[in-house]
Amino acid sequence: EVQLVESGGGLVQPGRSLRLSCAASGFTFDDYAMHWVRQAPGKGLEWVSGISWNSGSIGYADSVKGRFTISRDNAKNSLYLQMNSLRAEDTALYYCAKGLAAAGTNDAFDIWGQGTMVTVSS
Amino acid sequence: QSVLTQPPSVSEAPRQRVTISCSGSSSNIGNNAVNWYQQLPGKAPKLLIYYDDLLPSGVSDRFSGSKSGTSASLAISGLQSEDEADYYCAAWDDSLNVWVFGGGTKLTVL
Repeated sequence: EVQLVESGGGLVQPGRSLRLSCAASGFTFDDYAMHWVRQAPGKGLEWVSGISWNSGSIGYADSVKGRFTISRDNAKNSLYLQMNSLRAEDTALYYCAKGLAAAGTNDAFDIWGQGTMVTVSS
Repeated sequence: QSVLTQPPSVSEAPRQRVTISCSGSSSNIGNNAVNWYQQLPGKAPKLLIYYDDLLPSGVSDRFSGSKSGTSASLAISGLQSEDEADYYCAAWDDSLNVWVFGGGTKLTVL
């Protein structure tokens, strides 16, 4: 069964850091790009970051650029999101999503995890 | 304000047909493929339509997608109560260099 399982969310104070993980199974992880998409409570979807199959191409939303770092470990079938200098507006459910393609912008997110909640509050 | 514009809500009776529009610009819909996602209440999003009009395996053929210029549409025929969900369009934006989503459309089956 193709599956993505996120972990690492929680309650964190503004300015602190958090590292999210996404464990993939049921497909050849290093054949596909991977993404993080978030959804603030009661709001719509926002793409956060994406990484190509070999980590050669990485992109970020302007709202997180310079604060968040995406990475992957193909040997461990895992995707990560290091989140630094967290702000209240980063509060959201963070989804890990698999790309249809290995890289590039002609893509879609065909498999989603159930998400991990990040709450930034003092 | 979302880069892609969708109506906040649509409603229609069971067994009828409804369309959801998604309006963008030449830097996103006009030059790149559009994907549609369905998010049932309390659930993760699910890919519904990709590359403008393709159905992933397992998705009902009651769903269809189309695109013309800088606008795209999702059509759902034979509406069922289980279609009640939020629907999002998405595309790559060449100017912003990010994936952009529409604000989402809440479908109510009357």
